[in-house]
Amino acid sequence: NAGVTQTPKFQVLKTGQSMTLQCAQDMNHEYMSWYRQDPGMGLRLIHYSVGAGITDQGEVPNGYNVSRSTTEDFPLRLLSAAPSQTSVYFCASSYLDGKAFFGQGTRLTVV
Amino acid sequence: GIQVEQSPPDLILQEGANSTLRCNFSDSVNNLQWFHQNPWGQLINLFYIPSGTKQNGRLSATTVATERYSLLYISSSQTTDSGVYFCAVERAQGGSEKLVFGKGTKLTVNP
Repeated sequence: NAGVTQTPKFQVLKTGQSMTLQCAQDMNHEYMSWYRQDPGMGLRLIHYSVGAGITDQGEVPNGYNVSRSTTEDFPLRLLSAAPSQTSVYFCASSYLDGKAFFGQGTRLTVV
Repeated sequence: GIQVEQSPPDLILQEGANSTLRCNFSDSVNNLQWFHQNPWGQLINLFYIPSGTKQNGRLSATTVATERYSLLYISSSQTTDSGVYFCAVERAQGGSEKLVFGKGTKLTVNP
């Protein structure tokens, strides 16, 4: 039982580059979300989805794009990386209003 | 949006001591969860507890929804309890479907 799988675990980007953080879950959860964690800030919601084909913005969506073509996958795209996007990114999934499960995180550095 | 405040921000204990962590929230919730982030960064769901009391080994949690707070009790603490404890809530009204995190309590348990 894999749970929530995030790839890659670590990534270094140059300013202006684009990349996609992958997230997959095998629990048939409707709800998936992306958070970023910065020192002293807790976790802040970037984007979320309540099902395939449905996405919405969270607290800090600027500079990020998401899509949900299947129940299992919820990739996060950085369109043009900036140093302010240096952070640890977490993907989570759950049933609606249910217990949330997190991936192991992606540590991203933008230089 | 809903506000989530956790206290204390930092807590240092000797092994074997007991502790209480508090989470206050500013609006009615239909979802409240406690997480432990270990020193390696992994987020583990401890409790899904929108109301009432639950126990899991040395840990227990109580949520008093009408008074808008939740407490996490750790008894006979161990060094492996070290890390950051997060409270996260989802507002009841409006179908927000967003899990909002507090900034966490950093717990250090010394041998």
